Amino acid sequence: QKEVEQNSGPLSVPEGAIASLNCTYSDRGSQSFFWYRQYSGKSPELIMFIYSNGDKEDGRFTAQLNKASQYVSLLIRDSQPSDSATYLCAVKAGSARQLTFGSGTQLTVLP
Amino acid sequence: DGGITQSPKYLFRKEGQNVTLSCEQNLNHDAMYWYRQDPGQGLRLIYYSQIVNDFQKGDIAEGYSVSREKKESFPLTVTSAQKNPTAFYLCASSRGQGSYEQYFGPGTRLTVT
Repeated sequence: QKEVEQNSGPLSVPEGAIASLNCTYSDRGSQSFFWYRQYSGKSPELIMFIYSNGDKEDGRFTAQLNKASQYVSLLIRDSQPSDSATYLCAVKAGSARQLTFGSGTQLTVLP
Repeated sequence: DGGITQSPKYLFRKEGQNVTLSCEQNLNHDAMYWYRQDPGQGLRLIYYSQIVNDFQKGDIAEGYSVSREKKESFPLTVTSAQKNPTAFYLCASSRGQGSYEQYFGPGTRLTVT
């Protein structure tokens, strides 16, 4: 079982819809969770991080963390074509000093 | 401007040659990281350093070497022992001291023929 799993997609949503991206992790002691956006040919850009159970909102983005079920989600409201990218989930496991990345979900927002 | 720089953006080498990729940061971050990304894949950790003059192997360190002589700099050498060196190489840094948000440089795309 991979430590951090994401559906590879591609996930397609129409412009203006809510895009929902999911990530599950295997280490129950994981403490910190991050979402990165990566445009094709570019480096990843940090867009959200969350440490506590519940929701965290930043503009059109909401991160949701459920430690009991070991998943973290990213919701993108009012999706725009410019949101089309690969979204990487990263997790800091309990004893680790570095992040473990999922393989990413490719999102396409259709005009 | 604070940030992470990597040079060069594109690098071409012949098989059997060692090559060094540069990574510099002026964010005053303690920790630095090197990742490799292959097409359609996630990030795989090569080496990381939490403090000057100390570094640890990541998941795929074979065929690579690093040094951390200055806080700002963390160069990666891809040696001839690395069997499939063609990839997109990403350097990242984080504040350390319990803070794990990583920020990435623009990357170096290495092609070995």
